[in-house]
Amino acid sequence: RKEVEQDPGPFNVPEGATVAFNCTYSNSASQSFFWYRQDCRKEPKLLMSVYSSGNEDGRFTAQLNRASQYISLLIRDSKLSDSATYLCVVKGGGGFKTIFGAGTRLFVKA
Amino acid sequence: GAVVSQHPSWVICKSGTSVKIECRSLDFQATTMFWYRQFPKQSLMLMATSNEGSKATYEQGVEKDKFLINHASLTLSTLTVTSAHPEDSSFYICSAPDGGLAGDRQTQYFGPGTRLLVL
Repeated sequence: RKEVEQDPGPFNVPEGATVAFNCTYSNSASQSFFWYRQDCRKEPKLLMSVYSSGNEDGRFTAQLNRASQYISLLIRDSKLSDSATYLCVVKGGGGFKTIFGAGTRLFVKA
Repeated sequence: GAVVSQHPSWVICKSGTSVKIECRSLDFQATTMFWYRQFPKQSLMLMATSNEGSKATYEQGVEKDKFLINHASLTLSTLTVTSAHPEDSSFYICSAPDGGLAGDRQTQYFGPGTRLLVL
């Protein structure tokens, strides 16, 4: 079993749609959780950190469920510019090691 | 926010040559830096953790003699791909934690990456 698993997609949605991604992690000692966005041929950029029960930033909402060991990312009112790969990132459980999920590809179409 | 730079951004080289990639933290000090490799349509895979003033820690399956890491200062880590071969062609990305928060809560900032193509 992979340490961090994501649905690879792709998710093809129209503009204005709401889309949700899930990510599961295997190490129950993990402490920090992040969502990164990666555009084609670019480096990942931090989208949101998820520290406790979740947080919201504009159209983006991240949720953490420690009991079930998963985090989610909800994007409301999708924009064309949201098209990217979204990486679930889990950190901690005994060090600085950061584990990336394989990413979920999102295509938002007009 | 914190900025991490990488140089060069593109490298094309012949098989058998060595390639050095630099990773710099521009406005903060980083005692630890991470090196990743990403193949097309795959996620980032951690290769090694670079520690300032000491030996790097390599992930399982990564040859330390193949991928030499030097972290000589608090703002610079270098990755040298020795005797590169076509299968080493990949996107190499470094990152550094910002140090603003403790331990696991540190945000990682990524360099822009280096695309290596070995012919």
